[in-house]
Amino acid sequence: DAGVTQSPTHLIKTRGQHVTLRCSPISGHKSVSWYQQVLGQGPQFIFQYYEKEERGRGNFPDRFSARQFPNYSSELNVNALLLGDSALYLCASSFVGTLQETQYFGPGTRLLVL
Amino acid sequence: DAKTTQPPSMDCAEGRAANLPCNHSTISGNEYVYWYRQIHSQGPQYIIHGLKNNETNEMASLIITEDRKSSTLILPHATLRDTAVYYCIVRVAHAPGGGNKLTFGTGTQLKVEL
Repeated sequence: DAGVTQSPTHLIKTRGQHVTLRCSPISGHKSVSWYQQVLGQGPQFIFQYYEKEERGRGNFPDRFSARQFPNYSSELNVNALLLGDSALYLCASSFVGTLQETQYFGPGTRLLVL
Repeated sequence: DAKTTQPPSMDCAEGRAANLPCNHSTISGNEYVYWYRQIHSQGPQYIIHGLKNNETNEMASLIITEDRKSSTLILPHATLRDTAVYYCIVRVAHAPGGGNKLTFGTGTQLKVEL
């Protein structure tokens, strides 16, 4: 079975540009979460979406937004890119139905902002 | 979510058991203990989780103390491919789809050597 897939794998942008990252969850998973991991740190939670609704938001500025589509795939958008947005962006999907709701991660998109 | 404390690094000889400790002294009754690992530049990989009973799967065993204030992840026969950063995370069991974010710390860098 296919795991969580993310595209693109790598991306280079310049300051002020915007970027869209994409995520396809594991088949049957209806929840998608996004995390940012800067070098040397653990992943930091950005958003969770379930049934196309935002269910959680981390401490990130409004430049970060996301949405979930009817097929449960998701996009993360970042506007007005800053150098500090350079990071590995991770998507995780989970099957919603129990309190445990284990999250499974994709390989990530590595974003470099110049 | 409860804070966890892990040693920053550990070494283990290949073929020996790797025992990774985690302290979560402020854990509450409805918080699960999750373990993930991250091999360099890849997405985090789910290993195991538990609430209060010891758990075992094909990857590892999780031993949770009776008072639930600490736990140990055991890799029974470590190999070079187990070299990774291991994250211990405690997470409140929210309602399904209700913002089940993971709060990562800095983890333990496990180095498995010949």
